[in-house]
Amino acid sequence: QQQVKQSPQSLIVQKGGISIINCAYENTAFDYFPWYQQFPGKGPALLIAIRPDVSEKKEGRFTISFNKSAKQFSLHIMDSQPGDSATYFCAAGSGGSARQLTFGSGTQLTVLP
Amino acid sequence: DGGITQSPKYLFRKEGQNVTLSCEQNLNHDAMYWYRQDPGQGLRLIYYSQIVNDFQKGDIAEGYSVSREKKESFPLTVTSAQKNPTAFYLCASSMDRGRETQYFGPGTRLLVL
Repeated sequence: QQQVKQSPQSLIVQKGGISIINCAYENTAFDYFPWYQQFPGKGPALLIAIRPDVSEKKEGRFTISFNKSAKQFSLHIMDSQPGDSATYFCAAGSGGSARQLTFGSGTQLTVLP
Repeated sequence: DGGITQSPKYLFRKEGQNVTLSCEQNLNHDAMYWYRQDPGQGLRLIYYSQIVNDFQKGDIAEGYSVSREKKESFPLTVTSAQKNPTAFYLCASSMDRGRETQYFGPGTRLLVL
């Protein structure tokens, strides 16, 4: 019940295209859904996050879409660039003063020039 | 510069040896976390701490130990009981009380000789 399932495992997109990564969860107690971007040999960095009271959040070229009834959320990267090539992790968190996060397995995105 | 530092960047462990990974933050964050990252998998929580002198086991605490004697420091010891220690270890921190964003350090890669 604590799992967060992420797909696809890898994704190749042409420059200028749209990259879409999907995540699904089971635990209805989750109330915080961040996406992290990780470059090789580096720690993950927060990209964008959403709470379940909104269905969409956009920051620049990055958009999270959230479907509470389906318990799914997705990351859309518009106008994908070679510099976006990285591993992306979705996560879900719930309650407490030290909020714990459950991470998806990651998607390796490659944007071809 | 504010941030999280981890040392060393690479660490080699011999059979039967305990090794300690360092994590220091100057962000004045209350909560600190240790994650393990294996290829093709998401981040798995080892231990977390909400406050000095207090810490909690995460999902994969067996074979690991931690201490939190100072707010800014959260060292992780990989003991000889951890039979498969080769992984990328990430430390993170966050503010308390609903501040969900976790900031990650650059990681330590542990290899077994």
